[in-house]
Amino acid sequence: AQKITQTQPGMFVQEKEAVTLDCTYDTSDPSYGLFWYKQPSSGEMIFLIYQGSYDQQNATEGRYSLNFQKARKSANLVISASQLGDSAMYFCAMTGTASKLTFGTGTRLQVTL
Amino acid sequence: DAGITQSPRHKVTETGTPVTLRCHQTENHRYMYWYRQDPGHGLRLIHYSYGVKDTDKGEVSDGYSVSRSKTEDFLLTLESATSSQTSVYFCAISYRANTEAFFGQGTRLTVV
Repeated sequence: AQKITQTQPGMFVQEKEAVTLDCTYDTSDPSYGLFWYKQPSSGEMIFLIYQGSYDQQNATEGRYSLNFQKARKSANLVISASQLGDSAMYFCAMTGTASKLTFGTGTRLQVTL
Repeated sequence: DAGITQSPRHKVTETGTPVTLRCHQTENHRYMYWYRQDPGHGLRLIHYSYGVKDTDKGEVSDGYSVSRSKTEDFLLTLESATSSQTSVYFCAISYRANTEAFFGQGTRLTVV
């Protein structure tokens, strides 16, 4: 079985600052994928970034980077230079060999002036 | 945007009635998923499909059934709706395992 844990129900960050959203995972699969999604107040789910378990380098997509620490089973999302439009729910997710896509409970990020 | 459509977008139904939600894709993606989203629980997987007529249970499958007779359609059925099934339901598709999933707009279901 695979499990995603997000321990921060809510976070605040000031505009232009960087913020780290925590995600830990548990799986017995040797190969897996880790994802982050954003859900703004309008409700749609937006894919942000992906990290494969065998990828040697941390994934980056614009202002988003994934801090992947395999030994610690963590996949934290780092948002640099926060913007007001980054205020949203953020979900960490993973897939394994069974192709199940499993989500955490999410972190609500609020960007302040 | 990925071609994925959920219908209906909103539905109010009475306890004990059957309800079917439809997810339709035009992307020819192999994998399709049904989730429910409730405050404090994130997105919980109900059922998923890895091909036509190939489906498997997720973590909250009790009270739900699915069918996939064509690549493009994945149906979620509540055989006898209960108030605990009031939720927002999302469908998602992905081309293959370990690739990003694309989500539908969601269906808000209220069981009264």
